[in-house]
Amino acid sequence: DTGVSQNPRHKITKRGQNVTFRCDPISEHNRLYWYRQTLGQGPEFLTYFQNEAQLEKSRLLSDRFSAERPKGSFSTLEIQRTEQGDSAMYLCASSSLGRSYNEQFFGPGTRLTVL
Amino acid sequence: DQQVKQNSPSLSVQEGRISILNCDYTNSMFDYFLWYKKYPAEGPTFLISISSIKDKNEDGRFTVFLNKSAKHLSLHIVPSQPGDSAVYFCAATYSGAGSYQLTFGKGTKLSVIP
Repeated sequence: DTGVSQNPRHKITKRGQNVTFRCDPISEHNRLYWYRQTLGQGPEFLTYFQNEAQLEKSRLLSDRFSAERPKGSFSTLEIQRTEQGDSAMYLCASSSLGRSYNEQFFGPGTRLTVL
Repeated sequence: DQQVKQNSPSLSVQEGRISILNCDYTNSMFDYFLWYKKYPAEGPTFLISISSIKDKNEDGRFTVFLNKSAKHLSLHIVPSQPGDSAVYFCAATYSGAGSYQLTFGKGTKLSVIP
């Protein structure tokens, strides 16, 4: 399977705990995006990387959120001191200039539940 | 302020008939538009796209129409099949911003009745 993969698929945590999600993009894609989707809404942009450089962050990405893509391949998204409002589906997507950066391919998502 | 709007939360269509999903946008800077399909417990799947320099793009059973003056686009599915039942998201982007981040609507749930 050469699509975008995300782990874990589900995470249940208690308020105040830290969580980390991983995304493995399509191998030849140099751009990687993180989105968040809450119930009844479309995905909302959080941040993106071109290779290992994080080039833009949304105002939705509070100081408790940090994302990395250390070698320009997989990426991690960490949420510190989780709050109930962080409960959402976290989606990762990747794209490449060859196909057009506009066409982003999404992974299955990580569903976070904060109790 | 929602920049991409899908005003119909749901749509039911008989198998074999045409499904028409609508989307409106407010940001005139958007220059590329996409439709994604999403099944429960899966990520969105890219379906079809259109650049603002075109007014129509077709791919098999799927056709997207863009009316820039009205800031409106629509997705036509002909003929509709039960496997098309899913949530459809309209998305837009502004390539000049560099990030190509997608702005999504809230989605329309399509049910195709056998």
